[in-house]
Amino acid sequence: GAVVSQHPSRVICKSGTSVKIECRSLDFQATTMFWYRQFPKQSLMLMATSNEGSKATYEQGVEKDKFLINHASLTLSTLTVTSAHPEDSSFYICSPLAGDYEQYFGPGTRLTVT
Amino acid sequence: AQSVTQLDSHVSVSEGTPVLLRCNYSSSYSPSLFWYVQHPNKGLQLLLKFLSGSTLVKGINGFEAEFKKSETSFHLTKPSAHMSDAAEYFCVVSAGNFNKFYFGSGTKLNVKP
Repeated sequence: GAVVSQHPSRVICKSGTSVKIECRSLDFQATTMFWYRQFPKQSLMLMATSNEGSKATYEQGVEKDKFLINHASLTLSTLTVTSAHPEDSSFYICSPLAGDYEQYFGPGTRLTVT
Repeated sequence: AQSVTQLDSHVSVSEGTPVLLRCNYSSSYSPSLFWYVQHPNKGLQLLLKFLSGSTLVKGINGFEAEFKKSETSFHLTKPSAHMSDAAEYFCVVSAGNFNKFYFGSGTKLNVKP
């Protein structure tokens, strides 16, 4: 199956700082990238959808100025959590959409804001 | 609008017995339906998908699901549970244009020896 990497896998940052999470599709190109967050023992919540070269579309309640998404190429997307706060602590998962309409998922990034 | 309801948050079965994980969906369009599995500290893995065609879909690891339009259901089954099946399972629906995927709340499967 397709390979998706996320970096870092875990990050701890201080409140007020920014964190960048990278997502790469290693063996396929993805014109569409989904970013999810998952709270403990809960389902995945879609944060935003981005298409390569276009601005991301954010779900209701997700602040676009706080969660900056850059879909720079067909194999790389980044999510930057700006001015992080403890309530932003979560598990962030990227999901590129392949040409056969199958979503592949990155292994996730555990963000802890202290 | 699209939505997914997974009726059971937890299911517990004995090893070797059948597994049934229930999923009902709501969709304004002809839906595409997926089941994903998430093992602890691992990423999500696709078990199977229904896009069109045969309503009985076979997936990996012996899992199957049947799309029943009249019942708006897409239940996941396996004839005989294995200890390695213990994980969280998510039912996912997408509208016809695949620009958004909706996740169910998940069902945690426990397999007893």
